[in-house]
Amino acid sequence: GENVEQHPSTLSVQEGDSAVIKCTYSDSASNYFPWYKQELGKGPQLIIDIRSNVGEKKDQRIAVTLNKTAKHFSLHITETQPEDSAVYFCAAVSGGYQKVTFGIGTKLQVIP
Amino acid sequence: TAGITQAPTSQILAAGRSMTLRCTQDMRHNAMYWYRQDLGLGLRLIHYSNTAGTTGKGEVPDGYSVSRANTDDFPLTLASAVPSQTSVYFCASSEGLPTDTQYFGPGTRLTVL
Repeated sequence: GENVEQHPSTLSVQEGDSAVIKCTYSDSASNYFPWYKQELGKGPQLIIDIRSNVGEKKDQRIAVTLNKTAKHFSLHITETQPEDSAVYFCAAVSGGYQKVTFGIGTKLQVIP
Repeated sequence: TAGITQAPTSQILAAGRSMTLRCTQDMRHNAMYWYRQDLGLGLRLIHYSNTAGTTGKGEVPDGYSVSRANTDDFPLTLASAVPSQTSVYFCASSEGLPTDTQYFGPGTRLTVL
């Protein structure tokens, strides 16, 4: 089955700096890679996603890159703000309903 | 629009007792999912339903059952709870495909003693 590894597990950055979270996956059939943000006491919320026919996608301060050959994808947050502090999850989806595999999460702390 | 609601918010349950976690969505989504979230393990899929009347097993289905009698509701039942089922449970839904955006509920924190 699919295996998704996510690094780092915790990340502290100064406000205004950039943050990068990396994920690798094992199943070459995976073709959809969403990123979720989970604030304390809430459910995960989709913040950006990328499909296998695209190498990069940006949405304001957030960007995601995908390298299918190396089977890794990354989340980039620029100009971080305190409200970016949360747990971020990557996921890989290979088409089947049962084939949605999440990483273990990265706790991001933005220090004012 | 409420999105997805889950009940209860939290529960303490004695081992061996049964319990049903409720999940309702008002988006008319075809697909629904149940996940459990444990520290260091992330989110793991328990069961899913791609349309009303059908269900399927996820990564960790043992000890859990689901039903999908209609589009809106997707209850998760623990027939005889065990301490290892202590977790935070999230319900989610998507329009139809697993590559559609999944919308998550606020979660149910369950403690089995």
